[in-house]
Amino acid sequence: KNQVEQSPQSLIILEGKNCTLQCNYTVSPFSNLRWYKQDTGRGPVSLTIMTFSENTKSNGRYTATLDADTKQSSLHITASQLSDSASYICVVSAGGGGFKTIFGAGTRLFVKA
Amino acid sequence: EAQVTQNPRYLITVTGKKLTVTCSQNMNHEYMSWYRQDPGLGLRQIYYSMNVEVTDKGDVPEGYKVSRKEKRNFPLILESPSPNQTSLYFCASRTGLISYEQYFGPGTRLTVT
Repeated sequence: KNQVEQSPQSLIILEGKNCTLQCNYTVSPFSNLRWYKQDTGRGPVSLTIMTFSENTKSNGRYTATLDADTKQSSLHITASQLSDSASYICVVSAGGGGFKTIFGAGTRLFVKA
Repeated sequence: EAQVTQNPRYLITVTGKKLTVTCSQNMNHEYMSWYRQDPGLGLRQIYYSMNVEVTDKGDVPEGYKVSRKEKRNFPLILESPSPNQTSLYFCASRTGLISYEQYFGPGTRLTVT
């Protein structure tokens, strides 16, 4: 069964600190993996996308890694800001056209001053 | 401005009363999808469309219909809504097949009493 599991479920950190969010998946055949940021009550916004051959991708203070062998990905946030408070969703696409998309339940991040 | 719009943003209705949620994109994307998001669960795909007059079921299509008569519009139809369809709905469109960018609408919060 295709699944995407994220951990932790929620996380509280102090402003300025770093954090790492985890994503494990069992999706086959693998097409790509992306991380989204979703502010409360709004649609998700893409942060990074990685295909099978990529193992790291950065977008400003966000760095995603992918280990296709162990089927794990992480999202590292550097020097967190209050505006980073949001849900972070790991999404894995399967198949050639990537239409089969499996969403993780997300990690809810709270950044405190 | 490139965007995906949905209407209405909020809707409270009663069981059995047919409703339509509209979705429109101005980016000339061929691929569009509908998702629902429930607490503790990841977004789940309801239906997707690869082009005009081409639609297919996602993971949770029961109780929903869609149509794609024009490239820009992809309405979601609930012929006889039930309380278990109370959810937050997102429409999305994407640029292509593999390394695509997917854009989400702002969401429609539906309550069925």
